[in-house]
Amino acid sequence: GAVVSQHPSWVICKSGTSVKIECRSLDFQATTMFWYRQFPKQSLMLMATSNEGSKATYEQGVEKDKFLINHASLTLSTLTVTSAHPEDSSFYICSAQPMEGYTFGSGTRLTVV
Amino acid sequence: AQSVTQLGSHVSVSEGALVLLRCNYSSSVPPYLFWYVQYPNQGLQLLLKYTSAATLVKGINGFEAEFKKSETSFHLTKPSAHMSDAAEYFCAVSANQAGTALIFGKGTTLSVSS
Repeated sequence: GAVVSQHPSWVICKSGTSVKIECRSLDFQATTMFWYRQFPKQSLMLMATSNEGSKATYEQGVEKDKFLINHASLTLSTLTVTSAHPEDSSFYICSAQPMEGYTFGSGTRLTVV
Repeated sequence: AQSVTQLGSHVSVSEGALVLLRCNYSSSVPPYLFWYVQYPNQGLQLLLKYTSAATLVKGINGFEAEFKKSETSFHLTKPSAHMSDAAEYFCAVSANQAGTALIFGKGTTLSVSS
């Protein structure tokens, strides 16, 4: 089936630095990629929708300048958390929509210290 | 717009007992409905999905769900709980359109006691 590969699985970074998370569709073309954030013991909240070759659409309350999304090709979308702070520590998950439904990356656990 | 409400943030059952996790949806268009399970520190695993075919949907691990339009519900059931079923369960909805995201409920934690 369709697979989305997400890297890294976990990352620890210092406050003020930037972290890039990559999601690749391995055997299909992902025109659209969805990015979610999940805080501990909470649900997945949609952060943004990225479309290949165009600007991402952010959900209300999500800072565009802090969470930079790039979807330059049909197989790669990236999320960069800029100037990370401890409150950005969370589980980030990407999702694509191949023909047979939704498929999710394995998630990235970000810890900002 | 689509949304789902999961009734009960925490459900506890005994091993061998019926599992019932409730989900009600709201959608302005015919919905696609999903149930996912998440184990601690892991990603999401699809249990089952409703995409306007049969209203009773069978999934993995003995789970099933029934789409009831009149009640706007999509409750998840399993006849006999196993200890390994203890996890977080999420109901999700999307519009029947390409490029639309899944919207998740707040989740229900299922505990199974021996």
